[in-house]
Amino acid sequence: DTEVTQTPKHLVMGMTNKKSLKCEQHMGHRAMYWYKQKAKKPPELMFVYSYEKLSINESVPSRFSPECPNSSLLNLHLHALQPEDSALYLCASSLGRTNEAFFGQGTRLTVV
Amino acid sequence: KNEVEQSPQNLTAQEGEFITINCSYSVGISALHWLQQHPGGGIVSLFMLSSGKKKHGRLIATINIQEKHSSLHITASHPRDSAVYICAVGGSQGNLIFGKGTKLSVKP
Repeated sequence: DTEVTQTPKHLVMGMTNKKSLKCEQHMGHRAMYWYKQKAKKPPELMFVYSYEKLSINESVPSRFSPECPNSSLLNLHLHALQPEDSALYLCASSLGRTNEAFFGQGTRLTVV
Repeated sequence: KNEVEQSPQNLTAQEGEFITINCSYSVGISALHWLQQHPGGGIVSLFMLSSGKKKHGRLIATINIQEKHSSLHITASHPRDSAVYICAVGGSQGNLIFGKGTKLSVKP
């Protein structure tokens, strides 16, 4: 299994909603990442988890809350988002810091 | 100055043409990655290389560490190669630092 699975694929949410994005991998990777990608722009790093511990938070607003319940699962909890948060949210994983990265298909989020 | 610079930003080719995309970087790296992103979003890793040259099917990637430069070549291009190709370098935590991407369109 060389897949990173993200759910849902699409999400529309209101500014007062609470929702969660989910990312799962069963490759034994110990590093997992959340990236945000706006249209026609490269992905921007949001969070890095290493061995289930948050190691990087790239000054992301607190309305985004990551969680790594176990080594296979990474969540991104969303609350009180703004329309400008609409983007493609990509999850990735790698065996370690110098290994190949595997990406999920992304969740396309629209905040209305 | 961006840490990773790609050229060209956009590229249109006729089917069968040989294609080259270039990448220059300004930081010390452990590895350079070439990635492919189709409309709809998912990113696929094509190559990870730290020296020399790698080949996979019609794709070839080269890197010159001294010159901090890498190229991605596509031989006998096909319309299904149409995608955004992204060069990225590894950050200190294993994250990727991306170039702005090259949008390739191959016409039949």
